[in-house]
Amino acid sequence: EAGVAQSPRYKIIEKRQSVAFWCNPISGHATLYWYQQILGQGPKLLIQFQNNGVVDDSQLPKDRFSAERLKGVDSTLKIQPAKLEDSAVYLCASSPGDRQPQHFGDGTRLSIL
Amino acid sequence: GENVEQHPSTLSVQEGDSAVIKCTYSDSASNYFPWYKQELGKRPQLIIDIRSNVGEKKDQRIAVTLNKTAKHFSLHITETQPEDSAVYFCAASRDTGFQKLVFGTGTRLLVSP
Repeated sequence: EAGVAQSPRYKIIEKRQSVAFWCNPISGHATLYWYQQILGQGPKLLIQFQNNGVVDDSQLPKDRFSAERLKGVDSTLKIQPAKLEDSAVYLCASSPGDRQPQHFGDGTRLSIL
Repeated sequence: GENVEQHPSTLSVQEGDSAVIKCTYSDSASNYFPWYKQELGKRPQLIIDIRSNVGEKKDQRIAVTLNKTAKHFSLHITETQPEDSAVYFCAASRDTGFQKLVFGTGTRLLVSP
């Protein structure tokens, strides 16, 4: 089966600019996650969707980060405006449903200048 | 909330030796514990997971043990090979309600030929 697809793979922007990431989960996977992985650390959950509804966004910095999952399939994560500390790899993961193993995409490496 | 600690941060072994990575967690309600392998610039890949109704699980050269009383779990890799070199992450989650993985900080394993 095809894996979780993410784009772009790399993005370089200046602070205060905006950026968006896209994720296409594995076909049929109802649950979608966005993680932030800062260099040298484990992934940290930002937001979790079940179909097109938000299950958990308690660790999402809502003043600058937003995410949506229209039609319960693809998802986008946006940062506006970006700060230097947002430099990280943004990973998308999906699972068939709750309590099922999560499968990750290759991530988007974001660098803020 | 849950907190997962992982040790050691780096581990160097000779090919053919065994490697052990240990994690402790704080939330006694956690009962799902996956391990992910992440090669440089690649996606985290699930290599093995365990639920709290078992104390040990094996898959070829990889095994995971769980001690719920002490709130710690370990990854054991036997007969290590150079291709086992990667960063390994443990994680913990409650298995009721919606799964929310909390990751450890990672262990960089280097297997020398």
